[in-house]
Amino acid sequence: EIVLTQSPTTMAASPGEKVTLTCRASSSVSYMHWYQQRSGTSPKLWIYETSKLASGVPNRFSGSGSGTSYSLTINSMETEDAATYYCQQGSSYPPMTFGGGTKLELK
Amino acid sequence: EVQLQESGPGLVKPSQSLSLTCSVTGYSITSNYWGWIRKFPGNKMEWMGYISYSGSTSYNPSLKSRISITRDTSKNQFFLQLNSVTTEDTATYYCARLVFRRVYWYFDFWGPGTMVTVSS
Repeated sequence: EIVLTQSPTTMAASPGEKVTLTCRASSSVSYMHWYQQRSGTSPKLWIYETSKLASGVPNRFSGSGSGTSYSLTINSMETEDAATYYCQQGSSYPPMTFGGGTKLELK
Repeated sequence: EVQLQESGPGLVKPSQSLSLTCSVTGYSITSNYWGWIRKFPGNKMEWMGYISYSGSTSYNPSLKSRISITRDTSKNQFFLQLNSVTTEDTATYYCARLVFRRVYWYFDFWGPGTMVTVSS
């Protein structure tokens, strides 16, 4: 089973600040996918195939990476971006696995 | 647009079976793949399994002896049964549509989730 480790676990960012969230895989994966979960709601597909933005996702978000190291970047933090972000791999399956999440708060 | 909605008991006794329904609108479950994911207190998320457009299934090896996913195509619903539950199965359960792209999978539409507590 591939274990995904996200860092940091929690962070706070000010409006306008650049934010980078990291996801490391215990073995190489082909692609990484990211989900945003706001409090009290279900996860939403946010970035798929490492770097493609899901429908409706603002272009201040971007994704990159390869092999065992992937990242999600917010160019300029906005209030609505406060949420928990999860990475997920579906390349080495079963099972598909998720990271433990990064909680992003507004400073 | 695809919409999913989970339903089922919010409280299950230890050693009993947990049964949930996912009702899908806007898309036929005879296309694509349909799965269950759960999120534990403390935020850990676990993929549980899926049922395909043809009715074949795949399960997380950690659950293989306890889980069953079935469907009713006439109602456009699929179901989760988890046997011999313990307090460790307390979680929010989500159903979702899976996308399969040759060598990888991801989840593009999710239901709102239903919280299930296992307690006597």
